[in-house]
Amino acid sequence: QKEVEQDPGPLSVPEGAIVSLNCTYSNSAFQYFMWYRQYSRKGPELLMYTYSSGNKEDGRFTAQVDKSSKYISLFIRDSQPSDSATYLCAMNLSGGSNYKLTFGKGTLLTVNP
Amino acid sequence: DAGVTQSPTHLIKTRGQQVTLRCSPKSGHDTVSWYQQALGQGPQFIFQYYEEEERQRGNFPDRFSGHQFPNYSSELNVNALLLGDSALYLCASESLRGARTEAFFGQGTRLTVV
Repeated sequence: QKEVEQDPGPLSVPEGAIVSLNCTYSNSAFQYFMWYRQYSRKGPELLMYTYSSGNKEDGRFTAQVDKSSKYISLFIRDSQPSDSATYLCAMNLSGGSNYKLTFGKGTLLTVNP
Repeated sequence: DAGVTQSPTHLIKTRGQQVTLRCSPKSGHDTVSWYQQALGQGPQFIFQYYEEEERQRGNFPDRFSGHQFPNYSSELNVNALLLGDSALYLCASESLRGARTEAFFGQGTRLTVV
């Protein structure tokens, strides 16, 4: 079992739709959770950064973390064609020397005008 | 702020050759991590450098080595290149001094081994 599982999609939605992206993980020691957006042939760009369980909202984006279920989500409201990209979930441990990020495979999202 | 910069952008090498990739971290960051991203996959952690020392390493062979300079910039070296080393190599920087920060990525170096 991989440490982080993410449905690679592809996911295709019409403009204005609400998009839900999800990851599950197996390591209960993960404390920091991130969502990155990656456009084709570009580096990942940090979208959301949350610590432990709960919700965090930033504009059209909402990140949710449910540590009891080992499940994280990213919601995109009023999706735009410019949101078309690969979305990567990432997570790491709370302290010590383990600062490496563990990523999911990424979900390819296309928002159609 | 120039952010994280990597060079070169693209590179084509022959099997068996050696390659050096370079990374300059975001201003104020002291830690550099390297990741390998194969096509259709998420980035995989190679190693991390802090205070000019390798502090953590992922599951990569010794052919992958690195270095961090006093100005916090870093190099990734890969020896005896294999076709399977073809990937996007990403550099991420962050600060481990003081308050924890998130990692910022560069645009990557796309390495093709032929």
